[in-house]
Amino acid sequence: KAGVTQTPRYLIKTRGQQVTLSCSPISGHRSVSWYQQTPGQGLQFLFEYFSETQRNKGNFPGRFSGRQFSNSRSEMNVSTLELGDSALYLCASSLASTSGVETQYFGPGTRLLVL
Amino acid sequence: AQSVSQHNHHVILSEAASLELGCNYSYGGTVNLFWYVQYPGQHLQLLLKYFSGDPLVKGIKGFEAEFIKSKFSFNLRKPSVQWSDTAEYFCAVNAWGNFNKFYFGSGTKLNVKP
Repeated sequence: KAGVTQTPRYLIKTRGQQVTLSCSPISGHRSVSWYQQTPGQGLQFLFEYFSETQRNKGNFPGRFSGRQFSNSRSEMNVSTLELGDSALYLCASSLASTSGVETQYFGPGTRLLVL
Repeated sequence: AQSVSQHNHHVILSEAASLELGCNYSYGGTVNLFWYVQYPGQHLQLLLKYFSGDPLVKGIKGFEAEFIKSKFSFNLRKPSVQWSDTAEYFCAVNAWGNFNKFYFGSGTKLNVKP
């Protein structure tokens, strides 16, 4: 089975711009979660989508948003980019049930640099 | 809010030495616990997980972890490390009922000298 794929792998943007990152989960996986990884803060949970609905949300400002499509693919959008948004953005997918937690499989990440 | 602490930020060992990486979490309810590993240039991979049952869990590559509920700890161990274990290790906690919302520790970089 193919793993979790994320595109693009690298991005350079300037402050004030917006960016959209894409994640394709493992085939059959219905849950997609997004994380921000920085050297100072480590891995921080952004949100989780399941069946096209946001099921969980972390403590990030409203500039960070996401969505999930009917084929479980997910996109994450960051508007009005700030220098502090420079990070590795990781996507993770899991089979997911309606009640429990299951093992998450991570993609390689999208490295975003904001200048 | 939950938090996860990994007190060792950087560990240097020689091959064949024993390893123990600490992980403590703050949450009073039922938790699911995980250790992930990130090898240089690779993405995060699951090392082992604890959902319920035997508090001593075994993972891949000879790693094991023990859940001690009274100490809110889930320490990772390996009796004899190899150079190929050089990586960054992350402990993660998920509160039961929180679906796939994970809290990660800040990570421990392990450097194994050949």
